Amino acid sequence: AQSVAQPEDQVNVAEGNPLTVKCTYSVSGNPYLFWYVQYPNRGLQFLLKYITGDNLVKGSYGFEAEFNKSQTSFHLKKPSALVSDSALYFCAVRDPNTGGFKTIFGAGTRLFVKA
Amino acid sequence: GAGVSQTPSNKVTEKGKYVELRCDPISGHTALYWYRQSLGQGPEFLIYFQGTGAADDSGLPNDRFFAVRPEGSVSTLKIQRTERGDSAVYLCASSRGPTSTDTQYFGPGTRLTVL
Repeated sequence: AQSVAQPEDQVNVAEGNPLTVKCTYSVSGNPYLFWYVQYPNRGLQFLLKYITGDNLVKGSYGFEAEFNKSQTSFHLKKPSALVSDSALYFCAVRDPNTGGFKTIFGAGTRLFVKA
Repeated sequence: GAGVSQTPSNKVTEKGKYVELRCDPISGHTALYWYRQSLGQGPEFLIYFQGTGAADDSGLPNDRFFAVRPEGSVSTLKIQRTERGDSAVYLCASSRGPTSTDTQYFGPGTRLTVL
């Protein structure tokens, strides 16, 4: 069965510093991987996805993520954090070998960016 | 354009009552998903529709939960004999479909509180 782990409940970073939010996954084959962000009292917003091709995926608001098959990871990164990036981030996976529509989410990582 | 909308935004009910939660997907999206998000957790998959049919309902926790999408657009999640453990935010998402690589767009959710 597919699963996702976000090992950090919270990440703290100073504004202007690079940030990384970690995600590892488990699926039987090649995964489809997603990152979403959730701001208070708002729905989940799509950031980026990896389906196939280039391992480095660029998304919204300057975020990017790198697919690493050997480490089964899909860490979210941004070169320079903004205070407005403070939010709850979710990694998600779909397994195309089981139809691919059922999406499994991680528990989330709260990002705090200090001015 | 209009995004995914969900009504009501908040629903408070008493244990044992019946509730209906409504989702209006983005116009033209054929795929529709329901998730449940408990406090401090990531969204948990409940059911996925492709058109009018439930293609995957493996996430519904028990037979008190049921969802319909009779005309392939609006969907209603129905919960019978509500229990306090059903309290959560219920999220709806839609995607262009039927490709499993399509991005899901989420609504703001319905916060259900069972007293």
